[in-house]
This record gives sequence, structure tokens and C-alpha cells, in this order.
Amino acid sequence: GQSLEQPSEVTAVEGAIVQINCTYQTSGFYGLSWYQQHDGGAPTFLSYNGLDGLEETGRFSSFLSRSDSYGYLLLQELQMKDSASYFCAVRDIPPSGAGSYQLTFGKGTKLSVIP
Amino acid sequence: EPEVTQTPSHQVTQMGQEVILRCVPISNHLYFYWYRQILGQKVEFLVSFYNNEISEKSEIFDDQFSVERPDGSNFTLKIRSTKLEDSAMYFCASSDEGLAEAFFGQGTRLTVV
Repeated sequence: GQSLEQPSEVTAVEGAIVQINCTYQTSGFYGLSWYQQHDGGAPTFLSYNGLDGLEETGRFSSFLSRSDSYGYLLLQELQMKDSASYFCAVRDIPPSGAGSYQLTFGKGTKLSVIP
Repeated sequence: EPEVTQTPSHQVTQMGQEVILRCVPISNHLYFYWYRQILGQKVEFLVSFYNNEISEKSEIFDDQFSVERPDGSNFTLKIRSTKLEDSAMYFCASSDEGLAEAFFGQGTRLTVV
């Protein structure tokens, strides 16, 4: 089966750096995505790692280690608007070999940014 | 900026009734998805759709569910006989290539009473 583990809650101070870890056990692993979701909103794509290493997009960076089945999302210079839930999601190519993937989401990490 | 749009934003229906949730994917996208999120829980994959047929479906997507692309712009999810446990937020998503990131709509909150 598929399982992803990430912390349920994290609190950090405005301006600080926070790292949200994700470990996974899946079959057919193709890559790891990160999504942000504000309360009542849609998941919004943040970052994707298909290969080992660090991907940087502005204040957000994401890291993947395939050998460790581990990734993390790093948020720098935290702002109050970063308070949201953050989901890691594995892109999984299904056994049928269909040309698209399905996302298997973790349970999400609720980030609270405090002044 | 192009976006995925979903209607209605909120639907209340009685148990046993049929509902149709509507989505307009981003216009040049070819791959379409439905996901759902029960309140307070994680987002779960339901089905993927490409070239006018289902590519993959999860165990949640049983015979009461169906999807359709009735015209060149809409993508619908039908639930034939709703159950209380179908109450959830349903997200439509689309991508331009099978392996590109998926863009999600704002969701339809379905409440079955």
C-alpha cells in the first residue's frame, strides 16, 4: 500500500525558517510534489522533485532523497500568509501503465506562523 | 491566469439522490482528475481521465460514480445514489501533459443529508 508520513502541526515565528519533512512508502514512485492548502481552499502546487536534490522556487525549496524515501519542504522568511496546510504527495504511475499519474497525498502539516 | 473552475461551490442533497458536479478544466489541458477530501482528512484520488476514457480509478470510485466529458469544455462527476459518507469536498484538476503538475479547482462542497 501507499503511506506518507509528515508532522501534523508545526508552529514557527514570522521571518523564521521552517522545514516540513515527509517520508513515504509507495510503489511505482515517480516523484514527490508539495501542495499548499488554505482553509476552505484548493490545493495549490508548490514544488516537484523528480530527481534527488534540491529545487528552489523563491522562498520555498524542496528536497528529495530517493534512497531514503524522504523529502522536505523548506519555507524561508516566513510570512503570516504562509499559515496553511502543506501536503506532500507522491506521483505514482499506476500498474496499468496509463500515461498519467495519480497523486497520493499525505495527511498534511498545519503550519501556524505567529508574530 | 487560466484556472480550473467548478460549479456549484456548495451542493446539498438528500441521501439517495443523484448529483452532478461540474468542472471546466484549463482549456489546453488534456488530462483530467477528480479528487475528494472529507472534512479534516487528506485529499484522495478518485479517477483520472484522458482521451475520453478513464485512465485509472481508485477503490473509492465504485459503480455509483461516473465521469463524462459531454463537450469540449466540461468534465463532470456523477454520483448516482448519494450516501451520507459521500459528504466531502470534491476537487477537479487538470494537467496539460500526463506527467505535468495538476492544477486544482476551488472545489465543490457536497453535503448529503
